[in-house]
Amino acid sequence: QQPVQSPQAVILREGEDAVINCSSSKALYSVHWYRQKHGEAPVFLMILLKGGEQKGHEKISASFNEKKQQSSLYLTASQLSYSGTYFCGTEGAGNMLTFGGGTRLMVKP
Amino acid sequence: NAGVTQTPKFRVLKTGQSMTLLCAQDMNHEYMYWYRQDPGMGLRLIHYSVGEGTTAKGEVPDGYNVSRLKKQNFLLGLESAAPSQTSVYFCASIPGTRNEKLFFGSGTQLSVL
Repeated sequence: QQPVQSPQAVILREGEDAVINCSSSKALYSVHWYRQKHGEAPVFLMILLKGGEQKGHEKISASFNEKKQQSSLYLTASQLSYSGTYFCGTEGAGNMLTFGGGTRLMVKP
Repeated sequence: NAGVTQTPKFRVLKTGQSMTLLCAQDMNHEYMYWYRQDPGMGLRLIHYSVGEGTTAKGEVPDGYNVSRLKKQNFLLGLESAAPSQTSVYFCASIPGTRNEKLFFGSGTQLSVL
């Protein structure tokens, strides 16, 4: 079963912050985050392990609440280059890696 | 190092025709996945494999078959193409331990008329 992402779309001005949420109805081993530009393959951002880990990548960070089966991606001081569609991928039992429907992020000058 | 290579990159089929998409990786990865992505939508898992000779169904397996006869290759077959199978198909692989990132191919744009 696919994880559910929210919001579906976000419009920001440069320098603003955003949070993208991802939730699953099943127990998770890990959560992946990817960003995709139009016409390209998804690009890896980070992976979080069960255990409430929080990771950071420059001004992009994420958290994973294993008990709630939820993850959030935090984008701070957004840049034009952050525009794209963000996907969370969740790994449950059996090594199945399924993705949410995506969150379209547009950063305007 | 080529990474994950998908062939072909583009293909147009008529309804009822068959074809095979090839995914090849040169990283000795154990796990391989086939996803489809419809316009404006997320990635949906079709089939996947956790090792040579193994395959498993994903979320949307109907109308597709797969084979993993060699560790480096993962083939996706459409026996009788339908317009609903028009999509971009992505192959991806993971080394074999949990908590590794997916390495994606560049995608195959398939149109079924």
